[in-house]
Amino acid sequence: AQSVSQHNHHVILSEAASLELGCNYSYGGTVNLFWYVQYPGQHLQLLLKYFSGDPLVKGIKGFEAEFIKSKFSFNLRKPSVQWSDTAEYFCAVNAPGGGADGLTFGKGTHLIIQP
Amino acid sequence: ETGVTQSPTHLIKTRGQQVTLRCSSQSGHNTVSWYQQALGQGPQFIFQYYREEENGRGNFPPRFSGLQFPNYSSELNVNALELDDSALYLCASSSQGRVNSPLHFGNGTRLTVT
Repeated sequence: AQSVSQHNHHVILSEAASLELGCNYSYGGTVNLFWYVQYPGQHLQLLLKYFSGDPLVKGIKGFEAEFIKSKFSFNLRKPSVQWSDTAEYFCAVNAPGGGADGLTFGKGTHLIIQP
Repeated sequence: ETGVTQSPTHLIKTRGQQVTLRCSSQSGHNTVSWYQQALGQGPQFIFQYYREEENGRGNFPPRFSGLQFPNYSSELNVNALELDDSALYLCASSSQGRVNSPLHFGNGTRLTVT
């Protein structure tokens, strides 16, 4: 079974600081990787995804993530955060093909950006 | 484009009762998944429906069941409610029957079991 570990449960940064949220997964085969974001009072929405190809993927609002297969990692980054980035961030993984196993989510990282 | 809508938004039930939660998928989507999100946790996959049949299930007991209707809307039914069933229940829709189709989530139904 797959599992996802997000190392930081709470992160507090000042505006313009750089961000990196860690995500590691455990699964031996090919995986699809996702980052979802939940802004206060809103539904979960897709930030970016990796299926194959270039391991550096770019998402909405200036976010990017890098898939490092050897480290089983898919860390989320943003060079300069804004107050509006305050939200809960979830890393998720599933195995392509072989049935609808659904996404396995991490526990989430609560990010607070101070103005 | 209409997003995923869920009803009700909040619900309080007593242990042992049964509950039905509803979800309308985003227009053009034919697959619905349900997730349970306990406080302080990430969402956990319950099951997925495609073409009105369950085509994937997570580690949830049989008292969690579902339906998908011809218009792709869906219901989640939970029998014999337990206190640990208190959670936010999320519905998500996608446009394919394949696991790598990005999900679009609703705002969820907050269920409290007392």
